[in-house]
Amino acid sequence: ETGVTQSPTHLIKTRGQQVTLRCSSQSGHNTVSWYQQALGQGPQFIFQYYREEENGRGNFPPRFSGLQFPNYSSELNVNALELDDSALYLCASSLDGGGYTFGSGTRLTVV
Amino acid sequence: EDQVTQSPEALRLQEGESSSLNCSYTVSGLRGLFWYRQDPGKGPEFLFTLYSAGEEKEKERLKATLTKKESFLHITAPKPEDSATYLCAVQPLRGSQGNLIFGKGTKLSVKP
Repeated sequence: ETGVTQSPTHLIKTRGQQVTLRCSSQSGHNTVSWYQQALGQGPQFIFQYYREEENGRGNFPPRFSGLQFPNYSSELNVNALELDDSALYLCASSLDGGGYTFGSGTRLTVV
Repeated sequence: EDQVTQSPEALRLQEGESSSLNCSYTVSGLRGLFWYRQDPGKGPEFLFTLYSAGEEKEKERLKATLTKKESFLHITAPKPEDSATYLCAVQPLRGSQGNLIFGKGTKLSVKP
C-alpha cells in the first residue's frame, strides 16, 4: 500500500509568479485535503476535494485553487505569489473523509 | 470560533521521565480529535483518533485520553526517538470533514 506522495519536495519562486504543487493520494483514498503550515505553526486547512469537486474551503483567497483528477490525484495552484506564501504545503488523503494520511509536503520559498 | 490550544509549547524530558501533553479545545460539536507526530521537515504521522469523552487509546509508550474540553497525550518512560512535535487537531461536526483545526503543537525533546 503506497502512501501519499507530493512533488516537488522543494521549490523557490519569485514574488508574483504562479506555482503548481502535486499530490498522489494513498491507494484506495478518494478525498484529498490541502494544508499550509508556516514555520512554528500548526497546519491550516486550505480546501478539500471529493470526487473531483471542491467540498470545503478554509480562509484562503481565490488565488489558491485546486483540481482533483479521476484517479484522485490532486493539484494545488497558487497565483500571484506573495512572500507570506512561503510555507510547507501538505496534502492529506482519506477514504470518504475518514482517517487522514499526510504526505511529506512541499517546501515553498517565495523570494 | 473553533480553536485548539496546546501546552506546553516545548517540553524537555530525560529518558524514562514520564509526562503529559495537553490539548484544550473549543468546538461547536466534535466529530473527532486527532493526535499526530511530526518530525522536522516531514508531514504529520497519524497516532490516534478519539471520538467521545472518556475514550482512551494506547500505542507503545503513548496513551491518549479525551474529556469534553481537553485531551491528554501521556508519554510513559520516553526514549530519545520519541523526540518530535506532537500536534492535536479537532474535526468539527459542521463543515467539510477535511477541515481539521490544528494547534501549534508541543515540541518534545527527550535526552538520553
